[in-house]
Amino acid sequence: KQEVTQIPAALSVPEGENLVLNCSFTDSAIYNLQWFRQDPGKGLTSLLLIQSSQREQTSGRLNASLDKSSGRSTLYIAASQPGDSATYLCAAAGTALIFGKGTTLSVSS
Amino acid sequence: NAGVMQNPRHLVRRRGQEARLRCSPMKGHSHVYWYRQLPEEGLKFMVYLQKENIIDESGMPKERFSAEFPKEGPSILRIQQVVRGDSAAYFCASSPSWGGSYNEQFFGPGTRLTVL
Repeated sequence: KQEVTQIPAALSVPEGENLVLNCSFTDSAIYNLQWFRQDPGKGLTSLLLIQSSQREQTSGRLNASLDKSSGRSTLYIAASQPGDSATYLCAAAGTALIFGKGTTLSVSS
Repeated sequence: NAGVMQNPRHLVRRRGQEARLRCSPMKGHSHVYWYRQLPEEGLKFMVYLQKENIIDESGMPKERFSAEFPKEGPSILRIQQVVRGDSAAYFCASSPSWGGSYNEQFFGPGTRLTVL
């Protein structure tokens, strides 16, 4: 049974810092791994999707990596901004998505 | 191209009533997934449907919950005889017709169900 864990559960940083969010999964037989952003009381916004055959994906200030053999993915956020404050979720794709509980990020100005 | 649409956005029911949640997938998408997010919990998979077929319902509670995706119209998640523990945000996602679960899932804004 797939389990997804995200560390840390919460993170507070000053504006401008580079930061890394971690995601681990127990079953390496995944189709892809997705990173999402969720704002309080809102839906999910897809940030990046890494197919199982890929090692990383980049979009603007975001970079996500995938290491299937070790069951890990990281989301790197460069030059963080207050607008990046949200909960970040990773999800491993089998038949459906298995989500971690998220990392709640707070970026102060 | 409109995104995934869910309605209602907020739904209040009293214990014992029925709740019906609707999801219209993105145009061209024929795969629909329902997820539930309980307070202080992560999102949990409930059911995966294609048109007129339930593909995987391993995450659905055994009683009171049902889902359908008819040939015409939106997907419906139905909860009978709601209890307070059903209060949660229910999210629908869709993915394209080809590739099945290999594809990126696009999420709707969710329906927030409150059971009084």
